[in-house]
Amino acid sequence: DVKVTQSSRYLVKRTGEKVFLECVQDMDHENMFWYRQDPGLGLRLIYFSYDVKMKEKGDIPEGYSVSREKKERFSLILESASTNQTSMYLCASSPRTGNTIYFGEGSWLTVV
Amino acid sequence: EDQVTQSPEALRLQEGESSSLNCSYTVSGLRGLFWYRQDPGKGPEFLFTLYSAGEEKEKERLKATLTKKESFLHITAPKPEDSATYLCAVRPFVSGGSYIPTFGRGTSLIVHP
Repeated sequence: DVKVTQSSRYLVKRTGEKVFLECVQDMDHENMFWYRQDPGLGLRLIYFSYDVKMKEKGDIPEGYSVSREKKERFSLILESASTNQTSMYLCASSPRTGNTIYFGEGSWLTVV
Repeated sequence: EDQVTQSPEALRLQEGESSSLNCSYTVSGLRGLFWYRQDPGKGPEFLFTLYSAGEEKEKERLKATLTKKESFLHITAPKPEDSATYLCAVRPFVSGGSYIPTFGRGTSLIVHP
């Protein structure tokens, strides 16, 4: 079975803290994505990676960075968390063809 | 700019009452259209990929169809466990290859027993 695993389901962080969200996929997929999902706004792409050490900005990269040191792992970093980054974060992966995209279960982040 | 519009935003059905969800899209060229189911508090679950007009795919009570401008997700005799948000996404053809889909905002389906 296809598996995209997000290490933390629920996190509560303080404003200004550095936050790491980890994602691992076991399908040997080339492409990996980070989205955030907010009520009324749908899914918004933060960053995208199509290969190890490669990354591209999505629609809302401000305040975020990413790291992809290994093919199976894609990390989202909030350098200095702010309350407007309270959201559900979704990691996804797809093969190079992009024909199917699989999502993780999501990470609920609350910044207080 | 690629656009995906899903309608209705919300739909309430009685158990057994068949209906359809719509996903209309505007893209420069379609490389694939995806349907997902999302339960509250969880990540989207992949249902189907459609590639060309006229294509149909089925899974249990769900059938997805595709035309050149829109896709329908038909739900036949729905049950309460079909209650979820259904998301549609398109992947456009981009020279050089782009694998970034554009998502619609979803249709929230509630099926009452």
